[in-house]
Amino acid sequence: AQSVTQLDSQVPVFEEAPVELRCNYSSSVSVYLFWYVQYPNQGLQLLLKYLSGSTLVKGINGFEAEFNKSQTSFHLRKPSVHISDTAEYFCAVTLTNDYKLSFGAGTTVTVRA
Amino acid sequence: NAGVTQTPKFQVLKTGQSMTLQCAQDMNHEYMSWYRQDPGMGLRLIHYSVGAGITDQGEVPNGYNVSRSTTEDFPLRLLSAAPSQTSVYFCASSYRGQGAYEQYFGPGTRLTVT
Repeated sequence: AQSVTQLDSQVPVFEEAPVELRCNYSSSVSVYLFWYVQYPNQGLQLLLKYLSGSTLVKGINGFEAEFNKSQTSFHLRKPSVHISDTAEYFCAVTLTNDYKLSFGAGTTVTVRA
Repeated sequence: NAGVTQTPKFQVLKTGQSMTLQCAQDMNHEYMSWYRQDPGMGLRLIHYSVGAGITDQGEVPNGYNVSRSTTEDFPLRLLSAAPSQTSVYFCASSYRGQGAYEQYFGPGTRLTVT
């Protein structure tokens, strides 16, 4: 079965600074990878996804992630954050022939002025 | 499109009571699922359905029942509520998009069991 580890539970960052959220996965077969964002008191919204092809994936709101198969990682980055990026971020994985998503525990990003 | 809708938004139950959390989607998605979100644990899959009349258990199914009589609706039943079921519950639906099952989430139901 597949699993996901998010290496940081909380990431404080100043406005306009860069941020990186780390995600590692384990699976013996091919997977699809996702990053979701949850703003306070809301549901989850898809930021970006990796299915195949280019290992650098661009998403909404200026986020991007890089798939590294050898290191089984899918780290999320943004070069300059805003106050509005304060949220919880979830990395998720699914097998390529399956419906079920497995989520990491989440990383809370707090952006300060 | 309303997307995925969930009712109620908030609910307080006493131990032993039963209730049904409602979920509906208007996107004609084949796949629907229920998750619970607890602090520090991410989202855990309770039950899922790959189409009307077909349901299966996820990671944490005990204490919950589901049914899928139509494509649109996927209710979650708590049979006899326990304090351990205090959580935020999310319903999601998905389709086969570019070979991957991109999931769309509802706004959630916050349940407290006393």
